[in-house]
Amino acid sequence: AQKITQTQPGMFVQEKEAVTLDCTYDTSDPSYGLFWYKQPSSGEMIFLIYQGSYDQQNATEGRYSLNFQKARKSANLVISASQLGDSAMYFCAMRPGPLGSYDKVIFGPGTSLSVIP
Amino acid sequence: DTGVSQDPRHKITKRGQNVTFRCDPISEHNRLYWYRQTLGQGPEFLTYFQNEAQLEKSRLLSDRFSAERPKGSFSTLEIQRTEQGDSAMYLCASSSPGLAGHKFYNEQFFGPGTRLTVL
Repeated sequence: AQKITQTQPGMFVQEKEAVTLDCTYDTSDPSYGLFWYKQPSSGEMIFLIYQGSYDQQNATEGRYSLNFQKARKSANLVISASQLGDSAMYFCAMRPGPLGSYDKVIFGPGTSLSVIP
Repeated sequence: DTGVSQDPRHKITKRGQNVTFRCDPISEHNRLYWYRQTLGQGPEFLTYFQNEAQLEKSRLLSDRFSAERPKGSFSTLEIQRTEQGDSAMYLCASSSPGLAGHKFYNEQFFGPGTRLTVL
């Protein structure tokens, strides 16, 4: 079955510290994509970072990096130098299937991150 | 404004009534997706279009739900005979897959959502 698991319903981090949000996934497709989205209390989903299953290097976008461990089927999000504006829900998501295939994205249940001043 | 827009932002209706939501994607995006998000959960895929063709429908999309994208631009999602269990946030997203150098990208850009409350 295709599934995303996020085992941390809530996380706290001190401002300016780094934090890791966990994500594990399950798919039998050899090719897939992994995403992280941020959802602030206002409700909009904001794309953060993408990792393809065949990408050789871990993805990075500014303060966001994705710790991709293919054999363990994990795709943890690392946020460096946390800011108060990082407080939000964070969703890990997967597009099962090869590049260019249909694009149904499966989301995990989310992790609520609170940044403490 | 070049983002995805959705209308209305909020809808309150009585059980049994029909409702229709509209989504306007980013203008150059050929793919459009509908998701449903209930409180405390991640979004669940409902359906998606490539241009005007509806290519995939989730089993969550019962016979009371119908979606259209008649000219490959905006899309509508209609729920007939609403039930209290339909109360949720309905999210629309759009994308336009392509290559930038050697990197494939197809991130979906989401609209602000329509929050439906069925009384």
